Amino acid sequence: EDQVTQSPEALRLQEGESSSLNCSYTVSGLRGLFWYRQDPGKGPEFLFTLYSAGEEKEKERLKATLTKKESFLHITAPKPEDSATYLCALKTSYDKVIFGPGTSLSVIP
Amino acid sequence: KAGVTQTPRYLIKTRGQQVTLSCSPISGHRSVSWYQQTPGQGLQFLFEYFSETQRNKGNFPGRFSGRQFSNSRSEMNVSTLELGDSALYLCASSLALAAYEQYFGPGTRLTVT
Repeated sequence: EDQVTQSPEALRLQEGESSSLNCSYTVSGLRGLFWYRQDPGKGPEFLFTLYSAGEEKEKERLKATLTKKESFLHITAPKPEDSATYLCALKTSYDKVIFGPGTSLSVIP
Repeated sequence: KAGVTQTPRYLIKTRGQQVTLSCSPISGHRSVSWYQQTPGQGLQFLFEYFSETQRNKGNFPGRFSGRQFSNSRSEMNVSTLELGDSALYLCASSLALAAYEQYFGPGTRLTVT
């Protein structure tokens, strides 16, 4: 069964304290893996798409990486405005979209 | 460029009623997808429309349906509402079918009493 899990469920960081969020998946065929950020009361905001193992993408303090079984979202020197829920999703080879449960990140000043 | 808009933003309905939600995609985007978000189940894919045709469907009962118009605007309908249908319904648009970069609207918060 196709499945996406994320860990940890919640993460509290001090401002400037770097860390990583994990997205693990089992899928019969992967067409792409996505990372989104969601603020309370808003729709998800697109961050990255990764297509194949070994691929990496960066945007400001965020860096996403992909292996054959998991993806990591690395947050370097986070700021309070990085506080949000980070969602991982994937599209399977038959175009089914599956979202993970998300990681709620709080960055404390 | 205007983002994805959804109307209404909030809705309260009674069990057994039906509801129609509307989504206007970003100008030039031809694919519209719908998602249901609840605290217990997270974000779940409902369906995707492209060129007025449903191209992909999630695991939801037939009470959930949708359509897309020639201008790419989309509506989703839920008939015979149940308490468990209370959720945030999100619409996302993208340039083409199976495009990987989706842009989400703010959602419609549906409460069924």
